[in-house]
Amino acid sequence: DAEITQSPRHKITETGRQVTLACHQTWNHNNMFWYRQDLGHGLRLIHYSYGVQDTNKGEVSDGYSVSRSNTEDLPLTLESAASSQTSVYFCASSESVGLGSSYNEQFFGPGTRLTVL
Amino acid sequence: KNEVEQSPQNLTAQEGEFITINCSYSVGISALHWLQQHPGGGIVSLFMLSSGKKKHGRLIATINIQEKHSSLHITASHPRDSAVYICAVPSGGTSYGKLTFGQGTILTVHP
Repeated sequence: DAEITQSPRHKITETGRQVTLACHQTWNHNNMFWYRQDLGHGLRLIHYSYGVQDTNKGEVSDGYSVSRSNTEDLPLTLESAASSQTSVYFCASSESVGLGSSYNEQFFGPGTRLTVL
Repeated sequence: KNEVEQSPQNLTAQEGEFITINCSYSVGISALHWLQQHPGGGIVSLFMLSSGKKKHGRLIATINIQEKHSSLHITASHPRDSAVYICAVPSGGTSYGKLTFGQGTILTVHP
């Protein structure tokens, strides 16, 4: 069955270190997204991609980067981890089909809980 | 930027009660998503709808595009329905694009 996976599921790191969170989907979806979830803020968009070699900034992109070299993967890199980046990170994917199609629902990964000390 | 507001923020019910969660948004959209998140768990898509009503088991979602409002109803609620329910709207005029989320409604159903 097609799925979307994230790794690691839990990570503890230190301030200033570079961290990469992996996201891999086997749906063959064009669109991939990274969100973070924090108490009091809900889910917010970090970066997104609508296809290979396409990446775009979301509303909370400072300190994060992504690259899309193939359809299946969208790794999220924290260039220099900060305590403010302690959060739960969700990756999601969706297909680009006609307006209002049920295929446009987003499928979410299980999440990565990141703690920056 | 689309502002998405959910109400109530917290909802407590007894098993068997009819539940309604509301979502309103500020900018016209092509579709709206309802998502469910169990405690400590992942996020699951319940519905994506662009007009009218959709039903899946005991869950019913409705949307009024003109009034920029959607509701999620749960009939005959059960403790396993306890979760956070989140509405979300895509931006950029598409139904598949990046999402803006409401703050979520925490539902607790007591036996």
